Amino acid sequence: AQTVTQSQPEMSVQEAETVTLSCTYDTSESDYYLFWYKQPPSRQMILVIRQEAYKQQNATENRFSVNFQKAAKSFSLKISDSQLGDAAMYFCAYRSYGAGSYQLTFGKGTKLSVIP
Amino acid sequence: KAGVTQTPRYLIKTRGQQVTLSCSPISGHRSVSWYQQTPGQGLQFLFEYFSETQRNKGNFPGRFSGRQFSNSRSEMNVSTLELGDSALYLCASSLTGQSNQPQHFGDGTRLSIL
Repeated sequence: AQTVTQSQPEMSVQEAETVTLSCTYDTSESDYYLFWYKQPPSRQMILVIRQEAYKQQNATENRFSVNFQKAAKSFSLKISDSQLGDAAMYFCAYRSYGAGSYQLTFGKGTKLSVIP
Repeated sequence: KAGVTQTPRYLIKTRGQQVTLSCSPISGHRSVSWYQQTPGQGLQFLFEYFSETQRNKGNFPGRFSGRQFSNSRSEMNVSTLELGDSALYLCASSLTGQSNQPQHFGDGTRLSIL
């Protein structure tokens, strides 16, 4: 079974600064997907960024980018130019590739605070 | 396009009762998944439905069940409620549930057991 670990329960960042959230995972599979989800106090889980394991290039979505190290099984999220609206719980998630894989496996989350 | 709709938003029950939660997926989405979120256990997968068939089930007791209707709407039922069932229950939908498709989540139902 796959496991996802987020070692930072809480983090804070000054507005306009950069912050990196860590995530490691354990799997014996070679193909899979990794995700970062954001959950603000409104509770809705919002997809921030997605990475396919077979792609070498790190995914980027505007101010959000990842550092994907497949050999190290590491998948960190970098938020640049942090904004007040970035304050939320961030969850790293894993999903197996291919037919029969229907579930996301989540880490315990990192609570990000943004200081004005 | 309307998002994933979960009802009710909040629910309070007592031990031993049963409860039914509802999820309406995004129009055109046929796969619906359910997750339980608690402070202690985090987010845990309950089950996934596609075309009225349960394709995958997480490690939860038989008190947790679900179903999907022909219009892709899904319900989950929890019988003989226990204090530990207090949680946020999230529903997610995708087109067909394939792993390359993003899952879109609803706002969840907050269930409190007294």
